Amino acid sequence: SQTIHQWPATLVQPVGSPLSLECTVEGTSNPNLYWYRQAAGRGLQLLFYSVGIGQISSEVPQNLSASRPQDRQFILSSKKLLLSDSGFYLCAWSGTGAPTDTQYFGPGTRLTVL
Amino acid sequence: AQKITQTQPGMFVQEKEAVTLDCTYDTSDPSYGLFWYKQPSSGEMIFLIYQGSYDQQNATEGRYSLNFQKARKSANLVISASQLGDSAMYFCAISPTGFQKLVFGTGTRLLVSP
Repeated sequence: SQTIHQWPATLVQPVGSPLSLECTVEGTSNPNLYWYRQAAGRGLQLLFYSVGIGQISSEVPQNLSASRPQDRQFILSSKKLLLSDSGFYLCAWSGTGAPTDTQYFGPGTRLTVL
Repeated sequence: AQKITQTQPGMFVQEKEAVTLDCTYDTSDPSYGLFWYKQPSSGEMIFLIYQGSYDQQNATEGRYSLNFQKARKSANLVISASQLGDSAMYFCAISPTGFQKLVFGTGTRLLVSP
């Protein structure tokens, strides 16, 4: 069966510091991968998605970037964190990008920028 | 653009009773998928049920069923025989044709009391 991991689970960082969040998927090949952010009390907003190694699409211009160095690894980064980057970051995977394809989420990373 | 509206910020139900969580959507795409996710306090998004826009029958998954009314653009989630463990946030989402993303509503917080 497929599993998705995210780490760290919780992170507290000062403003201006760099960020690296990692997501890995097991039990599947060539998944579509997604990064979402959830602000407090809100729904999820798609940040990036990837259909293959090195292929990244950005949904919202911002202070963050994403990379996919391996088939089942997805990384969210920032060079300098802002207060507004605080939130709950969720990684997800799907088999394809079709509307009928379910996205399955990881446990998330709670980021607080002080 | 696609949009999901969840008008119930909070719902209360007693254990063993049924509850309906409302979801309306707006899309001009002829083909799309509708999803419901549960988010307990731990934060993980748990997939519950899926309905395709061309599906003739309403989707069911155990105690969850989806009341899909295409003409009214509604996709309400029905939870039968509520359990204490059903207390969580519930999100409705739409996956439009050709897009690699889910568009989420703002969620409904369900509280199940003994």
